[in-house]
Amino acid sequence: DGGITQSPKYLFRKEGQNVTLSCEQNLNHDAMYWYRQDPGQGLRLIYYSQIVNDFQKGDIAEGYSVSREKKESFPLTVTSAQKNPTAFYLCASSRAGQGQPQHFGDGTRLSIL
Amino acid sequence: DAKTTQPPSMDCAEGRAANLPCNHSTISGNEYVYWYRQIHSQGPQYIIHGLKNNETNEMASLIITEDRKSSTLILPHATLRDTAVYYCIVRLVSYNTDKLIFGTGTRLQVFP
Repeated sequence: DGGITQSPKYLFRKEGQNVTLSCEQNLNHDAMYWYRQDPGQGLRLIYYSQIVNDFQKGDIAEGYSVSREKKESFPLTVTSAQKNPTAFYLCASSRAGQGQPQHFGDGTRLSIL
Repeated sequence: DAKTTQPPSMDCAEGRAANLPCNHSTISGNEYVYWYRQIHSQGPQYIIHGLKNNETNEMASLIITEDRKSSTLILPHATLRDTAVYYCIVRLVSYNTDKLIFGTGTRLQVFP
């Protein structure tokens, strides 16, 4: 089936460790996005990428890093510089072109031990 | 950025139409309105989107006012599985950004 796969579903991190969240899509979408969601709140944009080997910061990029070496993959690294990393992380993708909707994966819930 | 305003919660009887309102009075002429819903601990599910005209698909209908300052999502025959948080979103696209601006949404409770 075509879709967006995020793994793992649950992730635990020790203080001071970097951790990488996986996002893969087989929809042949050009653009990919990472959002963060905190309890009772809407989503906030961390990073996005419109083409391979290019990405831009969103509203809350500090403490995060990304790469886009392949069209179908957009991993997010939560670094030790992110002071409050516990959250629900959502990856999305869309076709190029204005008005194309973003489609989301089922998320990764990150917790600090 | 254009922002949206939605009621925090609504109830709807199963089988009846659910009409979810949204205000977006500062929307720009080239900004689309999107509707998503989210069930607890899952990713948001795309429902429908529009620019100026009313839209309909297999899930819902979207009614946008002529001045584009508000819209209504209509679920024609609500079921218990439609219980979720519904987000009305304006998408901001410019030379250096492309993002969905989420608010806190409307929690729709469908009851038997």
